[in-house]
Amino acid sequence: DIQLTQSPSFLSASVGDRVTITCRASQGISSYLAWYQQKPGKAPKLLIYAASTLQSGVPSRFSGSGSGTDFTLTISSLQPEDFTTYYCQQINNYPLTFGGGTKVEIK
Amino acid sequence: EVQLLESGGGLVQPGGSLRLSCAASGFTFSNYPMSWARQAPGKGLEWVSVISPGHDITYYADSVKGRFTISRDNSQNTLYLQMDSLRVEDTAIYYCAKHLGATATTRYFDLWGRGTLVSVSS
Repeated sequence: DIQLTQSPSFLSASVGDRVTITCRASQGISSYLAWYQQKPGKAPKLLIYAASTLQSGVPSRFSGSGSGTDFTLTISSLQPEDFTTYYCQQINNYPLTFGGGTKVEIK
Repeated sequence: EVQLLESGGGLVQPGGSLRLSCAASGFTFSNYPMSWARQAPGKGLEWVSVISPGHDITYYADSVKGRFTISRDNSQNTLYLQMDSLRVEDTAIYYCAKHLGATATTRYFDLWGRGTLVSVSS
């Protein structure tokens, strides 16, 4: 199985900050990686797929990059509604796997 | 409206069974692979199972293989998850999710249901 390691697990930041979350795969997955946002008590929401493609309706302050084993999610200017948890997911192989999550908190 | 709505969760004793349903609307259900994923209380996301549009291909996570069965009824736009031999560690919110497309390169989940809670406890 492909393991995904997200870092950091927790991140403290302020409104307007630029933040970066990383996701490392245990083996190469080309660009078959997604990022999801999950707010408390809600289902996850697809933000980015194929490592860098912005899902329809997602604000342009979100961006993704990477290929192979190393990937990043960047939020260019944190907004109040962005303080929540983010997960990466690989679709290269079954079983599909998720990273452990990164919680973005208000500093 | 494009949506998925899960039902069938509840409290069950270890060793018991439950059948979850996921009603789809607003899109052509029969065109898309569908997955189940779960999230234990306070924990991360775990993929559980997938079924192809023609329900001829299924995959399972090792943690549920041999105990859970995924199925679908395209005439009713409904996805199912039969869960047998339930364990305490199966306690979680179970989500159904639509794949972005029908190919291996589009296994991303672009639509999720609200989830249904399964609690396994004596």
